[in-house]
Amino acid sequence: GEQVEQRPPHLSVREGDSAVIICTYTDPNSYYFFWYKQEPGAGLQLLMKVFSSTEINEGQGFTVLLNKKDKQLSLNLTAAHPGDSAVYFCADDTNAYKVIFGKGTHLHVLP
Amino acid sequence: AQTIHQWPVAEIKAVGSPLSLGCTIKGKSSPNLYWYWQATGGTLQQLFYSITVGQVESVVQLNLSASRPKDDQFILSTEKLLLSHSGFYLCAWGRLGVYEQYFGPGTRLTVL
Repeated sequence: GEQVEQRPPHLSVREGDSAVIICTYTDPNSYYFFWYKQEPGAGLQLLMKVFSSTEINEGQGFTVLLNKKDKQLSLNLTAAHPGDSAVYFCADDTNAYKVIFGKGTHLHVLP
Repeated sequence: AQTIHQWPVAEIKAVGSPLSLGCTIKGKSSPNLYWYWQATGGTLQQLFYSITVGQVESVVQLNLSASRPKDDQFILSTEKLLLSHSGFYLCAWGRLGVYEQYFGPGTRLTVL
């Protein structure tokens, strides 16, 4: 079945630096992905949805890229700040009822 | 606006005791509903989903069961807890035909 590998598991950056999280998926038919942010003790907050027809998405302070050829999805936080410290998850939601999550990346932004 | 509420916020239970966790969605009719379990350390595992009242599909059971007694309510339960049930339980809702899911605040379960 579909698998989603997420890396790195832990990432520490200085305030103002960029941070990149990468997910690699296996199913070439996958086309619908999400990025979620989870702060300590809280539920998941939807950050961005990515369709296969849209390869670049931009949000507030971050960019999501979808490379269909390499089956990779990346989240790039530009100019990270301490409020970005959280666990980030990618998810393959191509099957709307059975979502496959990556294992998460613990991001620490140091002041 | 839709709101999702989970109860209890946290629970400490003994091995072998029963469990019931609840999730309620307000402001949205006929949502798709989901249960997830999150192990310590972060990995998320989808457990169940429900598209309509009275119908629940299992993804991974982990000796748990789920029910949807009302349109806006999703219940996760077991008659006998195991140590391995400890973790963070998340409920989520989604709209029919729309893929994104919106998560509740979660319930922290500790089994001793």
